[in-house]
Amino acid sequence: EIALTQSPATLSLSPGERATLSCRASQSVSSYLAWYQQKPGQAPRLLIYDASNRATGIPARFSGSGSGTDFTLTISSLEPEDFAVYYCQQRSSWPPLTFGGGTKVEIK
Amino acid sequence: EVQLVEAGGGLVQPGGSLRLSCAASGFTFSSYSMNWVRQAPGKGLEWVSYIGYIGSGSAIIHYTDSVKGRFTISRDNAKNSLYLQMNSLRAEDTAVYYCARVSRPETADQHFDYWGQGTLVTVSS
Repeated sequence: EIALTQSPATLSLSPGERATLSCRASQSVSSYLAWYQQKPGQAPRLLIYDASNRATGIPARFSGSGSGTDFTLTISSLEPEDFAVYYCQQRSSWPPLTFGGGTKVEIK
Repeated sequence: EVQLVEAGGGLVQPGGSLRLSCAASGFTFSSYSMNWVRQAPGKGLEWVSYIGYIGSGSAIIHYTDSVKGRFTISRDNAKNSLYLQMNSLRAEDTAVYYCARVSRPETADQHFDYWGQGTLVTVSS
């Protein structure tokens, strides 16, 4: 089973700042990594798939990078609606499909 | 518009059973692989089960280890519906259960572009 470790657990930033979220895999997942955003009481929303491809309708301020075991989600300039929890997920080797533990981006 | 609507959650005693359903609309359901993903209260996401699209015969099915032998995923393409039969329920199965669609038809590309709103299953005496 491939474990995904996200860091930091919590990121305290102000609107307009840049957010950098990390996801590390216990073994290579090639580029088969996705990022989701989840707000309280809502279902997750796909942001990035295959490491760097933005999903339909996702603003350009969201970008993903990385391959192998180290991945980054960058939000170039935080908007008020971006404060949420973010999860990474690998589809390289499954079952089981695995998610990271999440990073909460909170308002400083 | 793609919609996934779960139903069937509720309060059940340990050892009991529930059947969740997910009604799909706005896309060709039979062409898409589907999944169940759960989220325990205040916790992260956990993949539960997968059922493949009906492309060339029987749909491929997978489960996470903790539910094998207790949960059964199925689909009815004529009714555009996905199901999860949950037996021998345990306290640790308490979670919001989401159905989720893979993003590309006729593939097992496991990233999920549409999710239902979730249905809460509470296992407690």
